[in-house]
Amino acid sequence: DTEVTQTPKHLVMGMTNKKSLKCEQHMGHRAMYWYKQKAKKPPELMFVYSYEKLSINESVPSRFSPECPNSSLLNLHLHALQPEDSALYLCASSQERGTGQADTQYFGPGTRLTVL
Amino acid sequence: EDKVVQSPLSLVVHEGDTVTLNCSYEVTNFRSLLWYKQEKKAPTFLFMLTSSGIEKKSGRLSSILDKKELSSILNITATQTGDSAIYLCAVEYNNNDMRFGAGTRLTVKP
Repeated sequence: DTEVTQTPKHLVMGMTNKKSLKCEQHMGHRAMYWYKQKAKKPPELMFVYSYEKLSINESVPSRFSPECPNSSLLNLHLHALQPEDSALYLCASSQERGTGQADTQYFGPGTRLTVL
Repeated sequence: EDKVVQSPLSLVVHEGDTVTLNCSYEVTNFRSLLWYKQEKKAPTFLFMLTSSGIEKKSGRLSSILDKKELSSILNITATQTGDSAIYLCAVEYNNNDMRFGAGTRLTVKP
């Protein structure tokens, strides 16, 4: 199984809502990533989890709250978002070989988020 | 099932060599194909291709889309050690869907 799955596929939420995005992989990967991608731009890294611990937080506003309940799951909790947060949210995972080189990341299909 | 397949998965060459990376796709309502270079962190954008047969070029890198064959190639000429990276292909399709390939890991040896 070389698949990263993400749910939901699409999400529309108001600025006062609380919602969560989910990501799952069963490849035994120990690093998981959240990216935000605006139209026609490359993905921007948000968070990296390594061995279920948050290792990188790219100065993301606190209205985005990541959670890694176990090595296969990664959540992104959303609260009080702004319309400019509307984007494609991509999850990825990699082996985390710790060699210093970039590990091949496997991307999920993304969640298309619209904030009204 | 929608899919994007890249080949080869990894490639080792020497400086000065020319490489060709492949990306093939099967999606509904194709919109565009994008190439990215990924080093340490997030991918950086290289090319976006929407029309078949029109080559896009940036320095030693070039890319072309073949909609009939449902594929694209990324060429790098006169490779340098700084070209060592993972090259990702992604396809936009339907209204706003996007799917990434697994990437090609390129290693350029001095």
